[in-house]
Amino acid sequence: GEDVEQSLFLSVREGDSSVINCTYTDSSSTYLYWYKQEPGAGLQLLTYIFSNMDMKQDQRLTVLLNKKDKHLSLRIADTQTGDSAIYFCAEIPRTDKLIFGTGTRLQVFP
Amino acid sequence: DGGITQSPKYLFRKEGQNVTLSCEQNLNHDAMYWYRQDPGQGLRLIYYSQIVNDFQKGDIAEGYSVSREKKESFPLTVTSAQKNPTAFYLCASKQGNYGYTFGSGTRLTVV
Repeated sequence: GEDVEQSLFLSVREGDSSVINCTYTDSSSTYLYWYKQEPGAGLQLLTYIFSNMDMKQDQRLTVLLNKKDKHLSLRIADTQTGDSAIYFCAEIPRTDKLIFGTGTRLQVFP
Repeated sequence: DGGITQSPKYLFRKEGQNVTLSCEQNLNHDAMYWYRQDPGQGLRLIYYSQIVNDFQKGDIAEGYSVSREKKESFPLTVTSAQKNPTAFYLCASKQGNYGYTFGSGTRLTVV
């Protein structure tokens, strides 16, 4: 079946690292994605990881993939107030339709 | 610059009215999608189209209709049969596996 789960909220202090977690159920997914949504806006693709990779780093962003546990995480180093947003993980299983998690609202406080 | 344009940004609908949300892309993408987002919830797929003149129902198609007469355009009509249409609507397009490109959304409110 297709299901993607995320925790709903995360609150961190500015300058700390944020870790947003995601679990998925469809092991056929070739790519897994992280999107960012700022208030009242569309979704912006932050990064993606190919399913045969364990880790991908892109500046302040680190994506970790544990295929055995079907667990995906996004780490944001040196979190800034501009990182406050909703973060969605997503997968494209064999159905070729993007399946989204419920989103994690990240709040960064000074 | 290439991208997806959704219009209008805000739309108000009276009870019993049909309204059409516009989605245009100049990315030359084959596939286009419509999602609905409710407060505090994830995105749910309404309709999608893999190619011109073809489209399929998503998970919550009831009360909605679409057309795909041109590659660039994928309008969504919210009909009077949709009993709870107030939501944020997002259009997206895709080519290959490098994620979807999203528009900036249309917020529909029933008055």
